Amino acid sequence: GAVVSQHPSWVICKSGTSVKIECRSLDFQATTMFWYRQFPKQSLMLMATSNEGSKATYEQGVEKDKFLINHASLTLSTLTVTSAHPEDSSFYICSAPGQGRGKAFFGQGTRLTVV
Amino acid sequence: AQKVTQAQTEISVVEKEDVTLDCVYETRDTTYYLFWYKQPPSGELVFLIRRNSFDEQNEISGRYSWNFQKSTSSFNFTITASQVVDSAVYFCALSEAPGSGNTGKLIFGQGTTLQVKP
Repeated sequence: GAVVSQHPSWVICKSGTSVKIECRSLDFQATTMFWYRQFPKQSLMLMATSNEGSKATYEQGVEKDKFLINHASLTLSTLTVTSAHPEDSSFYICSAPGQGRGKAFFGQGTRLTVV
Repeated sequence: AQKVTQAQTEISVVEKEDVTLDCVYETRDTTYYLFWYKQPPSGELVFLIRRNSFDEQNEISGRYSWNFQKSTSSFNFTITASQVVDSAVYFCALSEAPGSGNTGKLIFGQGTTLQVKP
């Protein structure tokens, strides 16, 4: 079946640095990908919709200048957390809609810890 | 607005007990999809089921069963003869109407943490 690969699976970075997370669709093309964030013991909240060849659409309350999204090809979307702070520590997970309506394929997730 | 509510934050059962996880949703769409996902401690989301709003038939898959009641906007999940390996966080989710361009965008409930004790 369709697979979405997310990398890295975990990362620890220093406060003030930037971190890039990649999300790849391995055997299908994805013109749209979604980025979610999950704080400990909380639900997954949609951060933004990544659109191939155009600007991402951000959900209300998500800082577009802090969470940079690039969808440069039909198989790759990246999320860059710029100037990370401890409060950005969270689990980030991407998804891509697969062929057939209603299907969503999730990456393995990235656990970000900012120290 | 769309919303998914899982009122049970945590459930603890003893192995072999049956357990039902509740899910209530709100949507103005006439066509939509409902999902259940399992999230073990590793964090990865494991797909369990997708239900089309047109299909109200209940479904059984091994020890898992789902009861979809459109009249009450509920999509409950039952695990029969629970096992320790069922311990995880379970999420109910709703997706927007197909064809809206947002297929794959999910609204998640708060999640229910299930602990199955030996």
